[in-house]
Amino acid sequence: GENVEQHPSTLSVQEGDSAVIKCTYSDSASNYFPWYKQELGKRPQLIIDIRSNVGEKKDQRIAVTLNKTAKHFSLHITETQPEDSAVYFCAASKNSGGSNYKLTFGKGTLLTVNP
Amino acid sequence: SAVISQKPSRDICQRGTSLTIQCQVDSQVTMMFWYRQQPGQSLTLIATANQGSEATYESGFVIDKFPISRPNLTFSTLTVSNMSPEDSSIYLCSVLGDLGSPLHFGNGTRLTVT
Repeated sequence: GENVEQHPSTLSVQEGDSAVIKCTYSDSASNYFPWYKQELGKRPQLIIDIRSNVGEKKDQRIAVTLNKTAKHFSLHITETQPEDSAVYFCAASKNSGGSNYKLTFGKGTLLTVNP
Repeated sequence: SAVISQKPSRDICQRGTSLTIQCQVDSQVTMMFWYRQQPGQSLTLIATANQGSEATYESGFVIDKFPISRPNLTFSTLTVSNMSPEDSSIYLCSVLGDLGSPLHFGNGTRLTVT
């Protein structure tokens, strides 16, 4: 089955700096890559996603890049703010439009933004 | 996106008992899933809840331990049976509104087994 590796496990940055979290996946058939943010004691919430027919997607301070050949994708957060502090999970799936959809998660990155 | 109501939000249970967790969605959804998140860990898929038929379980999870029902397109239950302290986790319901749409999570059930 799919295996998703995520690095780093913890990341500490100063407010205003950029943060980058990287993930690799094993199944070349995977075609959908979402990122979730989970604040302490809360549910995971989707912040951005990308499909395999796109190399990059941006939403304000957040961007995701995908390299299908290398089977890796990254989350980029610019101008970080203390409220960006949370655990971030990457995930991968195939058949994003099919009935046997299954999302496999990375182990998570604890991001701390220091004021 | 769909509003997902999960209950109970938390419970403390004794070893050997069972707990049923309910997940109610405010609109019909294509797919419903149950995930487990052990303390400080990632999310692990337990099973896909299939409407009107037996759930599809992932490796390491069995129906006798985690029976699941999904009687219609808006409701599902997960039972954690014969609990042990190792079952202490957060259990999360998640849904796909339409095929190809993002996966959304309920607020989770924080289970502690003593």
